[in-house]
Amino acid sequence: QVQLQESGPGLVKPSETLSLICTVSGGSISTYYWSWIRQPPGQGLEWIGYVYYSGSTNYNPSLKSRVTISVDMSKNQFSLKLSSVTAADTAVYYCARAGSSGYVHYWGQGTLVTVSS
Amino acid sequence: DIQMTQSPSSLSASVGDRVTITCRAGQSISSYLNWYQQKPGKAPKLLIYITSTLQSGVPSRFSGSGSGTDFTLTISSLQPEDFATYYCQQSYSTPYTFGQGTKLEIK
Repeated sequence: QVQLQESGPGLVKPSETLSLICTVSGGSISTYYWSWIRQPPGQGLEWIGYVYYSGSTNYNPSLKSRVTISVDMSKNQFSLKLSSVTAADTAVYYCARAGSSGYVHYWGQGTLVTVSS
Repeated sequence: DIQMTQSPSSLSASVGDRVTITCRAGQSISSYLNWYQQKPGKAPKLLIYITSTLQSGVPSRFSGSGSGTDFTLTISSLQPEDFATYYCQQSYSTPYTFGQGTKLEIK
């Protein structure tokens, strides 16, 4: 059974860079689309983007100038960096595995990241 | 971006009721429509993908239908564990987008 686990700071200061890692267990990170999705408190879901195991990426245009998603196959991990954060970036961040048809089959438990000084 | 609109935004129903949630896309998305269930404090769970394919382990009381721009999620006989928030998602084109959610509450 594939499992995903997010890790990283729960508090980030405004204007700094949010950095999260997702560790994949129970399966290889090769193949599939490794994704980040976020959910502000009490709100809906927003797709941030994905990295394919080959390293190619696809980002939400609304965040594209600030987002980097990368994969480390040697560690079976992928990561999210979001720069110049503001309070609007406060959310639960989920890492996830999506197939070629875009539906998300596996989700991490989510990690709350708060942007505050 | 393709806008996804769910209706209703909230719904009160009783155990045993038949419930239908609608999702409308801002343009045709063929059959690339997926449904998720989310309970408080938990990650979403995939229920149905590509309009009507039931994810393994999901009870058969859940079903999906539609094509093009209009889609539905039906729960044939509500069970206590079904009270949750439901989201549709289009995966026809990036950026993938979600509906705003439908909160299903106990009447």
